[in-house]
Amino acid sequence: GIQVEQSPPDLILQEGANSTLRCNFSDSVNNLQWFHQNPWGQLINLFYIPSGTKQNGRLSATTVATERYSLLYISSSQTTDSGVYFCAVSTNAGKSTFGDGTTLTVKP
Amino acid sequence: DGGITQSPKYLFRKEGQNVTLSCEQNLNHDAMYWYRQDPGQGLRLIYYSQIVNDFQKGDIAEGYSVSREKKESFPLTVTSAQKNPTAFYLCASSKRPGQGKAGYTFGSGTRLTVV
Repeated sequence: GIQVEQSPPDLILQEGANSTLRCNFSDSVNNLQWFHQNPWGQLINLFYIPSGTKQNGRLSATTVATERYSLLYISSSQTTDSGVYFCAVSTNAGKSTFGDGTTLTVKP
Repeated sequence: DGGITQSPKYLFRKEGQNVTLSCEQNLNHDAMYWYRQDPGQGLRLIYYSQIVNDFQKGDIAEGYSVSREKKESFPLTVTSAQKNPTAFYLCASSKRPGQGKAGYTFGSGTRLTVV
């Protein structure tokens, strides 16, 4: 099956810093999502981005499908950005495969 | 508001018992999914269903069973055959591939503990 690798596994930032999270995948996909898992376990959809670039406030994402990677940018990070960020990809079968996540800690 | 509801939030199971986790959605999604998450790990697919009365095994289906009798509901039973059931269980739904934007919506999860 498709492999998904996220990097870095852990990231510690000071409040106000910028960061880039990466997701590499091993095969062509027709769906890619970024999620933020909060401390209570809830998975919040950040972006549905099988290709191209999208922005939502301080967050933006870019997927280069032909090169099989996606990037999530977080600017001016806040302590509430802390948590685990997951990338999930799916092929025509519909079911999604998740990466192991990036754990982000933003210190005040 | 449309959404996906999981219940209960916390569940305790004795050794040898079967327990059923509920997942209900009112998003009119055809596809539904069950994932398991262990501490510090990613999500692994247990079962999924693309349409009523049909479902497929995911990567870790052993010791679990599901049914899909209604579009809105996709309950997961953790059987006594599941040797290590303590985990966080997440249900999701989406449109079927080819029906448009097929992004996932997740429920808030059920934490199952074996006592």
